[in-house]
Amino acid sequence: SQTIHQWPATLVQPVGSPLSLECTVEGTSNPNLYWYRQAAGRGLQLLFYSVGIGQISSEVPQNLSASRPQDRQFILSSKKLLLSDSGFYLCAWSVTGPLDEQYFGPGTRLTVT
Amino acid sequence: RKEVEQDPGPFNVPEGATVAFNCTYSNSASQSFFWYRQDCRKEPKLLMSVYSSGNEDGRFTAQLNRASQYISLLIRDSKLSDSATYLCVVIGAGSYQLTFGKGTKLSVIP
Repeated sequence: SQTIHQWPATLVQPVGSPLSLECTVEGTSNPNLYWYRQAAGRGLQLLFYSVGIGQISSEVPQNLSASRPQDRQFILSSKKLLLSDSGFYLCAWSVTGPLDEQYFGPGTRLTVT
Repeated sequence: RKEVEQDPGPFNVPEGATVAFNCTYSNSASQSFFWYRQDCRKEPKLLMSVYSSGNEDGRFTAQLNRASQYISLLIRDSKLSDSATYLCVVIGAGSYQLTFGKGTKLSVIP
């Protein structure tokens, strides 16, 4: 069966510090991968998606970036965090394209202070 | 009109009650629809897909009304464990036009 992992589970970072969140999927090959952010009182916002290694599409311009160095690894990064980057970051995968159901990892709760 | 709208609730219902949520969407070309459940401070989990013909999974029934552009979720015989936030997801035509509603909070009371 497929499983998706994210780490760390929680993170407190000062403004201006870098960020690296990691997501890995097991039990499937060539999944579509997604990064979302859920801010307090707001819906999930799609940040990035990837259909394959090295292929990243950005949905929202911001100071975040994503990379997919391996088939089942998806990384979310920032060089300098802003207060507004605080939120619940969720990685998800789907078997095929955007019309498919998506399965979420446990998430990383980021607080920027 | 917002892309996807849900009544935020909370819906407070007694155990055994039937409760229904609606989710309206603005993009008439939307193609796929889902309901997710999210427990407090947890990740969303897929509850069910929503098909044009309607679909049922145990106590849960999902329906799609394309003419009026809404999807619905009906929960029968509510259990305490049904307490959660229910998110609707609408996926539009084109690449990755995926929009989550903000969710409807349900509290089932003993």
